[in-house]
Amino acid sequence: NAGVTQTPKFRVLKTGQSMTLLCAQDMNHEYMYWYRQDPGMGLRLIHYSVGEGTTAKGEVPDGYNVSRLKKQNFLLGLESAAPSQTSVYFCASRDRVEQPQHFGDGTRLSIL
Amino acid sequence: RKEVEQDPGPFNVPEGATVAFNCTYSNSASQSFFWYRQDCRKEPKLLMSVYSSGNEDGRFTAQLNRASQYISLLIRDSKLSDSATYLCVVTPPPGAGSYQLTFGKGTKLSVIP
Repeated sequence: NAGVTQTPKFRVLKTGQSMTLLCAQDMNHEYMYWYRQDPGMGLRLIHYSVGEGTTAKGEVPDGYNVSRLKKQNFLLGLESAAPSQTSVYFCASRDRVEQPQHFGDGTRLSIL
Repeated sequence: RKEVEQDPGPFNVPEGATVAFNCTYSNSASQSFFWYRQDCRKEPKLLMSVYSSGNEDGRFTAQLNRASQYISLLIRDSKLSDSATYLCVVTPPPGAGSYQLTFGKGTKLSVIP
């Protein structure tokens, strides 16, 4: 009963490095989302997907790319990490538009 | 008017007290409503869904008032473990943008011994 799994849990990067965050869900959900949350702030939507092979921009997409090659996986990429991208990243999924989201337990990313 | 508004608090209440939070939303055609709780630096966890006139789950009661465009969360007999930030979440009406949910910034609750 894994639900939504995010890897890695923690990561420290140097400015300019690249990395990919993986989100995997085993609930056969159509919709998947990537959020970031900065200290004392609310959730901000980065990108989302409404089905395999589709992606769309959210509120703060700059500096990030995403891919959804398989229905169960949603990848978030940072091509050239910047200190402003230091944050906690949450992935979420849901089945239909009237349903709630289920969240992974987050990836804590620090960029030096 | 912001899409979803919550009083940020903090609400500091003694153990055993009853506390209520409100959340207002701007789009009268919004479909679905949810309450999540978020502990410090943890993921949001679904607390309750509010689909029609409201629902109850143990010490928690959620109400929806479509005429006044707000939802509420009532917590009875507060426990120390209820200390968290409570997020109001609204699903837009069908159409463009309906895939995205709108999160309030949260109301912080501290239950004091």
